[in-house]
Amino acid sequence: QVQLRESGPGLVKPSETLSLTCTVSGLSIGGVYYWGWIRQPPGQGLEWIGSIFKSGDTYYNPSLKSRVTISLDPSKNQFSLILRSVAAADTAVYYCAREVRTSLQQVVVNWFEPWGQGALVTVSS
Amino acid sequence: EIVMTQSPATLSVSLGERVTLSCRASQSIRTSLAWYQQKTGQAPRLLIFGASARANDIPVRFSGSGSGTEFTLTISSLQSEDFAIYYCQQYSHWPPNVTFGQGTKLDIK
Repeated sequence: QVQLRESGPGLVKPSETLSLTCTVSGLSIGGVYYWGWIRQPPGQGLEWIGSIFKSGDTYYNPSLKSRVTISLDPSKNQFSLILRSVAAADTAVYYCAREVRTSLQQVVVNWFEPWGQGALVTVSS
Repeated sequence: EIVMTQSPATLSVSLGERVTLSCRASQSIRTSLAWYQQKTGQAPRLLIFGASARANDIPVRFSGSGSGTEFTLTISSLQSEDFAIYYCQQYSHWPPNVTFGQGTKLDIK
């Protein structure tokens, strides 16, 4: 059974850097899947942040791309999120998830499953 | 960027009712659409992928349909555990991007 768990500081000061780690159990992150980060501000909807493949291939939400870095640590079976120059608008529950990407009837599709439990990160001085 | 619009924002329904939720894409995404259910305080749960394929362990009362720009999620007979927020999510292959709809909340009538 694949499980993911986010960890990292719950409070970050404005203009500083948010750093989270996702630990994966039950499956090697060096396999055929992508690994992604999604966030959800309090009371709001879901926003995809970005995803990474075992090769280091990454793709990011264009609106966050200039501030985001996602990386892998296969030796620890973890992947990480760095978000620079944070502001109050970055306060959210941050989820990590496995991203499945495949071709169905000649259409490239994707989905996120399973998800971690989420980690609330508050940006405040 | 492809914008996903869900309607309605909130739907008040009764147990046993048939429910249809809508999701519209701002341009064609063929069948690259997934649906998620999120209950309060929990992570989203995958229901449907590829617009119409049911995920593992998802009850048969959940079904998805559509292609191009118009998609629906149908719950054939609403159960008490189905009251939640439902999100659609699209994937565009090039340039790679993922966007979610703003969600539809199912309330008890």
